[in-house]
Amino acid sequence: ETGVTQTPRHLVMGMTNKKSLKCEQHLGHNAMYWYKQSAKKPLELMFVYNFKEQTENNSVPSRFSPECPNSSHLFLHLHTLQPEDSALYLCASSQEGSHNQPQHFGDGTRLSIL
Amino acid sequence: SQQGEEDPQALSIQEGENATMNCSYKTSINNLQWYRQNSGRGLVHLILIRSNEREKHSGRLRVTLDTSKKSSSLLITASRAADTASYFCATDLYAGFQKLVFGTGTRLLVSP
Repeated sequence: ETGVTQTPRHLVMGMTNKKSLKCEQHLGHNAMYWYKQSAKKPLELMFVYNFKEQTENNSVPSRFSPECPNSSHLFLHLHTLQPEDSALYLCASSQEGSHNQPQHFGDGTRLSIL
Repeated sequence: SQQGEEDPQALSIQEGENATMNCSYKTSINNLQWYRQNSGRGLVHLILIRSNEREKHSGRLRVTLDTSKKSSSLLITASRAADTASYFCATDLYAGFQKLVFGTGTRLLVSP
């Protein structure tokens, strides 16, 4: 139990579907992150939220839309995805304001685009 | 090439042996972190070493950092089958917020 819960664990969707990934952290952290992990590629940072405000959008296509309603919840809304978007999507949280803190990861959502 | 690169890409050893993984990076860092990932799971933080530290220990883990060479190593002593996983280094570039840049990882297989 890492304190970061992601749902669903697996998701299969067509290119025209709309779905959302959910992340919830129970650690009292104030920063949350979305990462994309594809085979044989480094983990890619997608979005960063500090105190519910987006502080980083790492050139992510608009078909990915993040939402952070409060410091404990983070969503990733998906629509009109492409086959190359199939990957493991990981959420993480950390305590910002203090340097040198680790990030805590959820177990990810394995996304497959048909 | 990317900020963090691990070497070797894959490592296969017997239980009881030591495993050493290396990480090289390119830019100045705030700290360097090592994470472990079991198949189908998320990343688990192992150890963090600050830019002004040279060596750190945690249980069977030993991490070194050489900022002049922009490199770090992770040593796992007396390895166990349960240590089988992928290991990643991540450099914290701190751009007003924590920004971790991960390498491609080392896949470690420890055989009984």
